[in-house]
Amino acid sequence: GENVEQHPSTLSVQEGDSAVIKCTYSDSASNYFPWYKQELGKGPQLIIDIRSNVGEKKDQRIAVTLNKTAKHFSLHITETQPEDSAVYFCAASITEYGNKLVFGAGTILRVKS
Amino acid sequence: GAGVSQSPSNKVTEKGKDVELRCDPISGHTALYWYRQSLGQGLEFLIYFQGNSAPDKSGLPSDRFSAERTGGSVSTLTIQRTQQEDSAVYLCASSLSTGRASYEQYFGPGTRLTVT
Repeated sequence: GENVEQHPSTLSVQEGDSAVIKCTYSDSASNYFPWYKQELGKGPQLIIDIRSNVGEKKDQRIAVTLNKTAKHFSLHITETQPEDSAVYFCAASITEYGNKLVFGAGTILRVKS
Repeated sequence: GAGVSQSPSNKVTEKGKDVELRCDPISGHTALYWYRQSLGQGLEFLIYFQGNSAPDKSGLPSDRFSAERTGGSVSTLTIQRTQQEDSAVYLCASSLSTGRASYEQYFGPGTRLTVT
């Protein structure tokens, strides 16, 4: 089955700097890759997603890139702010097979002001 | 509009007791998922429902776990004879469709289950 690895497990950046989180997946049939942000005591919140027919997607300070050949995708956050501090999860799924998400282990992002 | 809601938010139970966890999906969402988030295992898929189709139970860890979805809306996850390893946060998510229309899954706040 699908396996998703996520790095780093923790990331500390200075406010205003950029943060990059990377994930690799094993199943070449995966075609949907969402990113979730989870704050303490809350459920995961979808922040951006990308489908396998697209190489890059941006939404304000957040961008995701996908390399299907290498089977990896990355989350880029620019101009980080303290409110970006949270746990971030990547996930992968095969939409034709029920879109069951397989998650990475998560990255704790700390933005220092 | 209203998001996914789950109840209770916290549940403490004794080992061996049965528990029921409830999920109210976003109105109009036909797909509903249950996931479990535990310290050692991260977020893992348990079961999903799509419309009136038979549920995909491939992620359920044992036959003590079951779920149903009544009227295509509310879902209940039941854990029988709870064990300490069942302690985790149980998350529900809903999606407009598993078809080409929409893939986004929206999560509820979760139910934190503690088995003593």
